[in-house]
Amino acid sequence: SAVISQKPSRDICQRGTSLTIQCQVDSQVTMMFWYRQQPGQSLTLIATANQGSEATYESGFVIDKFPISRPNLTFSTLTVSNMSPEDSSIYLCSGWLETQYFGPGTRLLVL
Amino acid sequence: AQKVTQAQTEISVVEKEDVTLDCVYETRDTTYYLFWYKQPPSGELVFLIRRNSFDEQNEISGRYSWNFQKSTSSFNFTITASQVVDSAVYFCALSETNAGKSTFGDGTTLTVKP
Repeated sequence: SAVISQKPSRDICQRGTSLTIQCQVDSQVTMMFWYRQQPGQSLTLIATANQGSEATYESGFVIDKFPISRPNLTFSTLTVSNMSPEDSSIYLCSGWLETQYFGPGTRLLVL
Repeated sequence: AQKVTQAQTEISVVEKEDVTLDCVYETRDTTYYLFWYKQPPSGELVFLIRRNSFDEQNEISGRYSWNFQKSTSSFNFTITASQVVDSAVYFCALSETNAGKSTFGDGTTLTVKP
């Protein structure tokens, strides 16, 4: 099994600034992902975080806006860059180790 | 492309009623996983069940039961004798095997009234 933690759990940010979210897994998961959940919506996959190489982004998401790092098998970061109120969402980290595990999410409010 | 449809946007029941949440999926993969998650107002995703595409056996866990029918591409979730604490948003999700990329349905908001 795997337990995933995220930092920060929530934040309020000003438009135009950037926020980096950290994701830590207690096991060496094979895959790590970042999802976004906009208010009242479902979860949408942002990207697959690849260890030691550039992340693989889904349609509609770009590296300049959501740079992702994954330096090892248990840690990843997602940066939300040049934020606008439309970026207000819950951002969830996920890891795959025979099944899917989710972190508790980071609630972001952009003013 | 994968797709998950939860046609019921909102369901409201009175406590102790049984309720079924529908999930229909589309995939070209022959091997895949199906999931159900609960998201209470706190926002955290709570894992309920995972079903492998090769395992069509229905499952019961307490008041929860799941009916997986490959022939109709459905994976429905029934809560028996619902309780107020069951009030939440429920998501059905489909994942490629060994890949972990999940496609989520839009979710069904269940409200259980006392």
